[in-house]
Amino acid sequence: DAKTTQPTSMDCAEGRAANLPCNHSTISGNEYVYWYRQIHSQGPQYIIHGLKNNETNEMASLIITEDRKSSTLILPHATLRDTAVYYCIVRVRETSGSRLTFGEGTQLTVNP
Amino acid sequence: GAVVSQHPSWVICKSGTSVKIECRSLDFQATTMFWYRQFPKQSLMLMATSNEGSKATYEQGVEKDKFLINHASLTLSTLTVTSAHPEDSSFYICSAKLAGGNEQFFGPGTRLTVL
Repeated sequence: DAKTTQPTSMDCAEGRAANLPCNHSTISGNEYVYWYRQIHSQGPQYIIHGLKNNETNEMASLIITEDRKSSTLILPHATLRDTAVYYCIVRVRETSGSRLTFGEGTQLTVNP
Repeated sequence: GAVVSQHPSWVICKSGTSVKIECRSLDFQATTMFWYRQFPKQSLMLMATSNEGSKATYEQGVEKDKFLINHASLTLSTLTVTSAHPEDSSFYICSAKLAGGNEQFFGPGTRLTVL
């Protein structure tokens, strides 16, 4: 699976949009971009995933650049409960093991 | 839907004892479950992949005789930490993959403290 690079930490004001970047310059054509988050002392929570088109769901939007070498997770109106570590993971969707390899992630702190 | 539970949520035990952690998929069948370990201020590290009815596949460096995994049904996998030592103190998290699907759903984790 391709390696990803994320900033160690970010801050965001409550009510503002949080834009979390992820670089995955070695991504292959059959690899998807997944985002999970982990609130302190809880299990990871799936947020969104995409291949090449931008995606949106009730939690967030995922913007993938045309060359697919980077992406941005957008939380449109961040709340204090969005404070968490956000993990960007790139992997082939259809694999026998479906393993997820977690990097260090980005600690997002939403401030009041 | 797609809820995964773990029991217990936390456990404290004495050094040398064994601890069993359960992972259950509550509203779906999971052919594959995964066990992760997370030390403080670190990321999740995959320990093993467990397929229902077969032996677990362990990641390099994870002792299969120390971390016993049983996946006897499509809704339950157990991780037993045998002869636990203080260095085994960690946050253990399981995830389950929907049968026929690809996405993983994570449990809330179990905090193990070995005295």
